[in-house]
Amino acid sequence: DVKVTQSSRYLVKRTGEKVFLECVQDMDHENMFWYRQDPGLGLRLIYFSYDVKMKEKGDIPEGYSVSREKKERFSLILESASTNQTSMYLCASRPAPGLSSSYEQYFGPGTRLTVT
Amino acid sequence: AQSVTQLGSHVSVSEGALVLLRCNYSSSVPPYLFWYVQYPNQGLQLLLKYTTGATLVKGINGFEAEFKKSETSFHLTNPSAHMSDAAEYFCAVRQAGTALIFGKGTTLSVSS
Repeated sequence: DVKVTQSSRYLVKRTGEKVFLECVQDMDHENMFWYRQDPGLGLRLIYFSYDVKMKEKGDIPEGYSVSREKKERFSLILESASTNQTSMYLCASRPAPGLSSSYEQYFGPGTRLTVT
Repeated sequence: AQSVTQLGSHVSVSEGALVLLRCNYSSSVPPYLFWYVQYPNQGLQLLLKYTTGATLVKGINGFEAEFKKSETSFHLTNPSAHMSDAAEYFCAVRQAGTALIFGKGTTLSVSS
């Protein structure tokens, strides 16, 4: 089974702190994603990565950055946390698209971040 | 551009009743369609998917969905709801490129 793990299930940080959210997958997937989930808004894509050291902005990248130094690990960074970044953060991974790819993504359990 | 609309943010049914969760999509590429389920305080789990071939797809826990190209729909059904089906359900469509576009979600409540 594909396993995607996230470093924390719950996190409380103060406004202005630098916050790191870590995601690790064990299936050698090329593509990895970070979403935030808010009630009534569904999942919105923050950043994704095609492969090591490659990244692309998603729909809501403002206030976030990412790092992918190793294939299995994708980090989301909040340079200076703000209260409007209080949310559930979900990481996902999947193999690179190919002829037989279904584009299915595999999700981690999520990190619920509260910024006070 | 791709988009997903889930009709109804909240659906309530009785145990044993039919479940119908609606999803309409727009896509500029051949659609790959997905339903995911999220139980409280957990990540998303794939219920079922349509890529090509048979338009009626069966998933886990008795759920199924039918791809109707003419109606641009991919509605999710279950003939008999269980209390354990209470969760949030997300419909998603492949975006041109690599990502998925998700709907806003439908919360399913099941009462005894």
